[in-house]
Amino acid sequence: DAGVTQSPTHLIKTRGQQVTLRCSPKSGHDTVSWYQQALGQGPQFIFQYYEEEERQRGNFPDRFSGHQFPNYSSELNVNALLLGDSALYLCASSQTGAPYEQYFGPGTRLTVT
Amino acid sequence: AQKITQTQPGMFVQEKEAVTLDCTYDTSDPSYGLFWYKQPSSGEMIFLIYQGSYDQQNATEGRYSLNFQKARKSANLVISASQLGDSAMYFCAMREGRSGAGSYQLTFGKGTKLSVIP
Repeated sequence: DAGVTQSPTHLIKTRGQQVTLRCSPKSGHDTVSWYQQALGQGPQFIFQYYEEEERQRGNFPDRFSGHQFPNYSSELNVNALLLGDSALYLCASSQTGAPYEQYFGPGTRLTVT
Repeated sequence: AQKITQTQPGMFVQEKEAVTLDCTYDTSDPSYGLFWYKQPSSGEMIFLIYQGSYDQQNATEGRYSLNFQKARKSANLVISASQLGDSAMYFCAMREGRSGAGSYQLTFGKGTKLSVIP
């Protein structure tokens, strides 16, 4: 049973560029959440997708956008990258009705230079 | 105010000993859930244990138990018989609102780095 997968593992981008991160949820899960974890900090909630719509959003600017596909996989897009966007981006999946069971992927390490 | 506070940036424990990692939380919602996650150096967040605000008994999962003191708003993680593989960052997190309703996001603390000494 495959868990949550994320790609790519690592990414280096330049300020001002755009980036797309991808996440495939655990089998049977229909909800995907994205978190940003800066070095030495706990993860911060970016947004959550369910039924291909953004259901809830944390305190992140509009430069952060997402998408969920019919197969429940999800993308996180960040435009106009800033140095401060350098972080580990974690994807978590869960099933409606059991949101306490959030399974995390291994993350994508984004470095902005 | 911080919603989740973990006051121990780092902890050391001898192998085979028990250790308690502290977590206090702040919420006015009567329905909430508390989580503990382990994050090894590889980065993946591993779910350890969950406690619902209405659960009468403290949650236990193998060597992990959650010491839930609702009046004090604390949810400490107890790891019994520590192993070298327990060395990692540990995060306390909270979800506010009932399952299936309310807030879906997890709010995390800053974490505690646990080091197990042979």
